[in-house]
This record gives sequence, C-alpha cells and structure tokens, in this order.
Amino acid sequence: AQSVTQLDSQVPVFEEAPVELRCNYSSSVSVYLFWYVQYPNQGLQLLLKYLSGSTLVKGINGFEAEFNKSQTSFHLRKPSVHISDTAEYFCAVSEGSNYKLTFGKGTLLTVNP
Amino acid sequence: GAVVSQHPSWVICKSGTSVKIECRSLDFQATTMFWYRQFPKQSLMLMATSNEGSKATYEQGVEKDKFLINHASLTLSTLTVTSAHPEDSSFYICSAKWGQNTEAFFGQGTRLTVV
Repeated sequence: AQSVTQLDSQVPVFEEAPVELRCNYSSSVSVYLFWYVQYPNQGLQLLLKYLSGSTLVKGINGFEAEFNKSQTSFHLRKPSVHISDTAEYFCAVSEGSNYKLTFGKGTLLTVNP
Repeated sequence: GAVVSQHPSWVICKSGTSVKIECRSLDFQATTMFWYRQFPKQSLMLMATSNEGSKATYEQGVEKDKFLINHASLTLSTLTVTSAHPEDSSFYICSAKWGQNTEAFFGQGTRLTVV
C-alpha cells in the first residue's frame, strides 16, 4: 500500500518570500506523483506531475517540484509567492498509470502582506 | 484541460432522506470516474472507482449500500447517499479520465450538509 506524508500542516510566509512545501511518500512500486491546489470550497487544480524523465518538474503559477527517489520525496517550491497563492496544497501519489490517487493531509499555505 | 462538472455545488437535506450528486465530463468520454470524500480540514479519501458499464469498486470501509454509484454513460456518473445522516456531511469530489494513461480531472466538488 502507498502513503503520503506532508510534514507541515500550515506554512505562513510573507509575500515575495520563497516557499517549500514538503512531501514524502512510500510505495513498493513505481509511482506517479502530483501536487494539487485547492481554494476554499472548490475542487482540485493540478499544479504539476511527475510521471518519468527529468526529476525537476515545472508547473503552473511558477511552482516546481523535484522528485528524489532515494529520499522518496517530492517537495514543492516557489521562489517568490503572492497573496493569491494562499490555498491548501495536496501532494498525491498513484501506483503507475491508474490515477487512483492517495493524498497527503494537505498543507495550508498562507501568504501575508 | 478537460472539464468535469459536479451538480449540485452544495445541498442540504434532512436526515433519513437520499441525495444524488452528479459528475459529468463535458468535453470527453470518461471511461473511469473516481469519487472522493473530504472531511473538514482533512485530506481526500478515495471512496470508489467506477468504470462505464460495470459495477463500481469500493474502497475498504466504504458502505456500498449507503453510497450507490452508477456510471451508466461515458459522460455521467452519479453518487447517491442513501438514508443520509449528519455524519455523512462532507465535501464530495469526483474525478474523471479516459483511457489507461491519461490524467484524471477533478470536478468542483459538492458540499453535503445533513440536518
């Protein structure tokens, strides 16, 4: 069985500061990795995904993530955040291409002026 | 990207009644749809996977008689919460995909409140 751990439940930062949201996973097979963003009372929007190939993945809104197989991590980063980035961020994993996702508990990113 | 629409966005129902939530793929044929449940300030938990024309596969611990899933067409799946109780109040989100190796797209979710 697979699992996802998001180490920080809340991350407060100031506008224009860099941010890293941490995600670790466990699985016995090859995985696909995802980061989603959720705004209040809305569905999920895909930020980026790692399927194979380059371990550095660039997504929308200036976010990027790096897959580290040895550390089983997929941390999300942004060099300079905006107020509008305030939202809940979920890391997820699927075993291969079935897209049956296991989610982490989420990290609430709050960007303060 | 592809569009998945859920209806209604929110619903309030009385305890003991049933409520149906629809998940539609608007611009593609969804061979597979997933239903998730999200408790307040918690993560999403997969409830079931439905493939068009066949019975849904439920995750362990999910009551199939309580959460009825129908995927009768390639663009529509429904989740019916039967005999709803206050503990069924939650945010329900669907996602849909086509084929084997494609991304699943999420609906906007349905907030169910049982009073």
